[in-house]
Amino acid sequence: DAKTTQPNSMESNEEEPVHLPCNHSTISGTDYIHWYRQLPSQGPEYVIHGLTSNVNNRMASLAIAEDRKSSTLILHRATLRDAAVYYCILSKDSGYALNFGKGTSLLVTP
Amino acid sequence: GAVVSQHPSWVICKSGTSVKIECRSLDFQATTMFWYRQFPKQSLMLMATSNEGSKATYEQGVEKDKFLINHASLTLSTLTVTSAHPEDSSFYICSAKRLAGLETQYFGPGTRLLVL
Repeated sequence: DAKTTQPNSMESNEEEPVHLPCNHSTISGTDYIHWYRQLPSQGPEYVIHGLTSNVNNRMASLAIAEDRKSSTLILHRATLRDAAVYYCILSKDSGYALNFGKGTSLLVTP
Repeated sequence: GAVVSQHPSWVICKSGTSVKIECRSLDFQATTMFWYRQFPKQSLMLMATSNEGSKATYEQGVEKDKFLINHASLTLSTLTVTSAHPEDSSFYICSAKRLAGLETQYFGPGTRLLVL
């Protein structure tokens, strides 16, 4: 499986944008880029996913590099409820189990 | 949206007893469900993959006779921890893939198991 690399932790101020990076230099042409987040003592929550083009939804935006070797999850205005561990995961489709790495622990301060 | 539920949300049991955890897809049919385990301060680790109507596929190191998985319908999968021991105490999480397409999975809220 292609692996991803994320910073262990990041910190942001409330109401400011947050850019969470992910490197995936060995990504294959059929790998989707998924982002999930996990709040303490909860199951992971789907955030967004994409293949080649940038994607937007009500939660976040996903910016994918032209060579697809990296991507960035963008939270446009961080709130205290966005404090969580964010996982960047590659998967060919949802029929495959997701390989969770260590993710990025996002701290949001008032 | 796609909702996955788990029951119970938490359970405390004595060592040697068996515990059953249910995972249900509430508003969609799931051909495939996955079971994960998460120990404190660690990431999720896949235990097994279950497909409706067939035997589950277990990851290396996961005892299939200890962690019994049944996926009897397109909306229900169960994980039974047999003869539980304190080292089985963990956070158990299931996820489900929709029958109809989409490239993502939906996760349940998790079940916290404490074996005394």
